Amino acid sequence: KAGVTQTPRYLIKTRGQQVTLSCSPISGHRSVSWYQQTPGQGLQFLFEYFSETQRNKGNFPGRFSGRQFSNSRSEMNVSTLELGDSALYLCASSLEAPGQANTEAFFGQGTRLTVV
Amino acid sequence: SQKIEQNSEALNIQEGKTATLTCNYTNYSPAYLQWYRQDPGRGPVFLLLIRENEKEKRKERLKVTFDTTLKQSLFHITASQPADSATYLCAHRGRRALTFGSGTRLQVQP
Repeated sequence: KAGVTQTPRYLIKTRGQQVTLSCSPISGHRSVSWYQQTPGQGLQFLFEYFSETQRNKGNFPGRFSGRQFSNSRSEMNVSTLELGDSALYLCASSLEAPGQANTEAFFGQGTRLTVV
Repeated sequence: SQKIEQNSEALNIQEGKTATLTCNYTNYSPAYLQWYRQDPGRGPVFLLLIRENEKEKRKERLKVTFDTTLKQSLFHITASQPADSATYLCAHRGRRALTFGSGTRLQVQP
């Protein structure tokens, strides 16, 4: 079956612009999480959605937002981009609900965002 | 809050040797620990999950141990190959999310 699909793979934006990233989870998975990965900070949790509801949120400013649709596809949006937002943004889908510790995550290839 | 620490940033070993990577946690014993592999520019790939009450878990050349006394999990790759070169991440699912360590970059020299 198809894996987690993230689009676009690469993106270059200018400071102050906004960006929307898309994630299609594995068919049947209702839980989608987003992570930011930078060389200095590693994988940082952004937010998690389950059945169209945000269940958990990481320590990121309000410029970072997301949503999940009824088909479990998810988008994340970053407004007023800053240079420090340059990173690999990863989406992961899971079969079971948030809080279930034995749930493995399936990651997409990521979107490489460069802010200039 | 729980912290997951992978103290070794990088590990270089010779092909054929056993690689051992360490993951330490700081507070309560997590019910599960997960291990992932990540190649450059790609998303992490799940490898193994070990439960708190399991001392050891194996999958082909991979072995994971869980020592609640030491608050530590060890990840072993036996008969390592250059293709095993990657970053290995340990993770646990806390209340909020799957939390990752910073990873250990393994380089297997031919």
